[in-house]
Amino acid sequence: GENVEQHPSTLSVQEGDSAVIKCTYSDSASNYFPWYKQELGKRPQLIIDIRSNVGEKKDQRIAVTLNKTAKHFSLHITETQPEDSAVYFCAAPAPAHSGNTPLVFGKGTRLSVIA
Amino acid sequence: DADVTQTPRNRITKTGKRIMLECSQTKGHDRMYWYRQDPGLGLQLIYYSFDVKDINKGEISDGYSVSRQAQAKFSLSLESAIPNQTALYFCATSDGTSSTGELFFGEGSRLTVL
Repeated sequence: GENVEQHPSTLSVQEGDSAVIKCTYSDSASNYFPWYKQELGKRPQLIIDIRSNVGEKKDQRIAVTLNKTAKHFSLHITETQPEDSAVYFCAAPAPAHSGNTPLVFGKGTRLSVIA
Repeated sequence: DADVTQTPRNRITKTGKRIMLECSQTKGHDRMYWYRQDPGLGLQLIYYSFDVKDINKGEISDGYSVSRQAQAKFSLSLESAIPNQTALYFCATSDGTSSTGELFFGEGSRLTVL
């Protein structure tokens, strides 16, 4: 089945700096790659996703890039703010299913933005 | 607002006890999931259901069972709880007709097995 690896497990940045989180996946047939954010004590929520027919997608200060050849995708957060502090999860669909679910998640990255 | 509701939110139990975690949703979604979250291990899929009569094992189904009583309800059971099942459990839903497959999570059920 799909295997999703995520790095780093923890990341500390100064407020205003950029943060990058990277994930690799194993199933070359995967075509949908979401990122979820989980604030302390809260439920995970989708923040951005990308399909395999594009290489990059942006939404204000966050962007996701995809390299299908290398089977990796990354989350980029620019001009980080204290409210960006959270755990971020990448995911990919388990193979042989329709509708991009169920999702297999990476182990998460705890991002701390230091004011 | 349409939501995903989990009960109980917190539960402390003893080894060997049977536990049921319940999930209900008012989103009208057909697909429902149970995930387990442990520190440093991310979200691991336990079971999932794409429709009322459909049940599928996930990555870590041993020691768990599920029941999809109706489209809106999906319960997770631990037949004989053990301490390493201490974790935060999330129910999630998605719309099978959606082009994205976005998951909507409940608030979580924290289970402690002594």
